Amino acid sequence: SAVISQKPSRDICQRGTSLTIQCQVDSQVTMMFWYRQQPGQSLTLIATANQGSEATYESGFVIDKFPISRPNLTFSTLTVSNMSPEDSSIYLCSGWSYTGELFFGEGSRLTVL
Amino acid sequence: DQQVKQNSPSLSVQEGRISILNCDYTNSMFDYFLWYKKYPAEGPTFLISISSIKDKNEDGRFTVFLNKSAKHLSLHIVPSQPGDSAVYFCAARAGNQFYFGTGTSLTVIP
Repeated sequence: SAVISQKPSRDICQRGTSLTIQCQVDSQVTMMFWYRQQPGQSLTLIATANQGSEATYESGFVIDKFPISRPNLTFSTLTVSNMSPEDSSIYLCSGWSYTGELFFGEGSRLTVL
Repeated sequence: DQQVKQNSPSLSVQEGRISILNCDYTNSMFDYFLWYKKYPAEGPTFLISISSIKDKNEDGRFTVFLNKSAKHLSLHIVPSQPGDSAVYFCAARAGNQFYFGTGTSLTVIP
């Protein structure tokens, strides 16, 4: 299985600040995605991280709020900008392996006060 | 619109018995289905998958069944163990998009 490392694992942030989450994957991953899981809900796709170009965002998510970078095949960052308490969630990096499965990082639990 | 649904939010099973987790979907374009297990404070862990051209896939204690005519997917765990207690998500793939159910919390009672 693919190995996906994500950090920070958790953070408590003040309203109005920004936080960047980093994700490192191994070479078995082709595509990289960012998901959000809010309490009691399913996983919601934020965007597909594209190598060397702008991410592809899902409906309801915009680049100004969730800027994403993927400078190379194995690394991506998600920034949650100008945070509010509604952004409190678990943010998950994921990678689509060559064998067809989607693997996840450990998740970053964000609490915004 | 929820394309993948897990209608049972929770399930309790005695240790050693069979656990059956169900999932329904609406999109006939889904070609690959997956099950994940998630412990608190961890990311989802891939368990088992099945292609739409098959109706069964088995891996140790885990078996996934696919009924395409009913658009229904199920995960069987037998025998169930206390360590299986977790939230289980089903997921379906169409192209490069994955759609997830809302999860079923399984509790295996020792």
